[in-house]
Amino acid sequence: SQQGEEDPQALSIQEGENATMNCSYKTSINNLQWYRQNSGRGLVHLILIRSNEREKHSGRLRVTLDTSKKSSSLLITASRAADTASYFCATDDVQGAQKLVFGQGTRLTINP
Amino acid sequence: EADIYQTPRYLVIGTGKKITLECSQTMGHDKMYWYQQDPGMELHLIHYSYGVNSTEKGDLSSESTVSRIRTEHFPLTLESARPSHTSQYLCASSESVGKGSGANVLTFGAGSRLTVL
Repeated sequence: SQQGEEDPQALSIQEGENATMNCSYKTSINNLQWYRQNSGRGLVHLILIRSNEREKHSGRLRVTLDTSKKSSSLLITASRAADTASYFCATDDVQGAQKLVFGQGTRLTINP
Repeated sequence: EADIYQTPRYLVIGTGKKITLECSQTMGHDKMYWYQQDPGMELHLIHYSYGVNSTEKGDLSSESTVSRIRTEHFPLTLESARPSHTSQYLCASSESVGKGSGANVLTFGAGSRLTVL
């Protein structure tokens, strides 16, 4: 089964609002990453957080990691229409560190 | 501009045809991957490679095969396509980021959308 599960599966908000997506995983990890995918395209790396970090920021993105709960969240502040995309978390577990396992993704729609 | 290229972007073929999806990267990455993704769904790893002459099967069983004769190229081949192979195929490459943890940050191509009639 997939390592990551994301919640919600779909999220629709108004432009300017904040969007929060959650990811849960099952095994111990070295790192957790978030990727973005525009419709019909490949994925683009957004941010990486290591297992010994609890929070990380990049522009309008804020990622948290709670290894005790095996969960992460991605917050996008002041959303824009261009943020409309699917967002995936990906983990590489401590045993299979060369492979990334992706969650099922959250489809985010920003309404103008 | 993308540093990893996939061709063709779109392909519609009949059942039984042999097809090869091309993937090339100009970044000198050792690791390359093929993922399969149905529309709106999760990605499934079907093949990966740690370097030249190295290929491994991924977590999802696939009837496709891959080769890694050169660092830059990682083509995927279906000997006899079937409608069940209809999907999007995403190629990616990576290098380890930072010391110690060896994090793999993937760079993806734009994908090849395959439709088998």
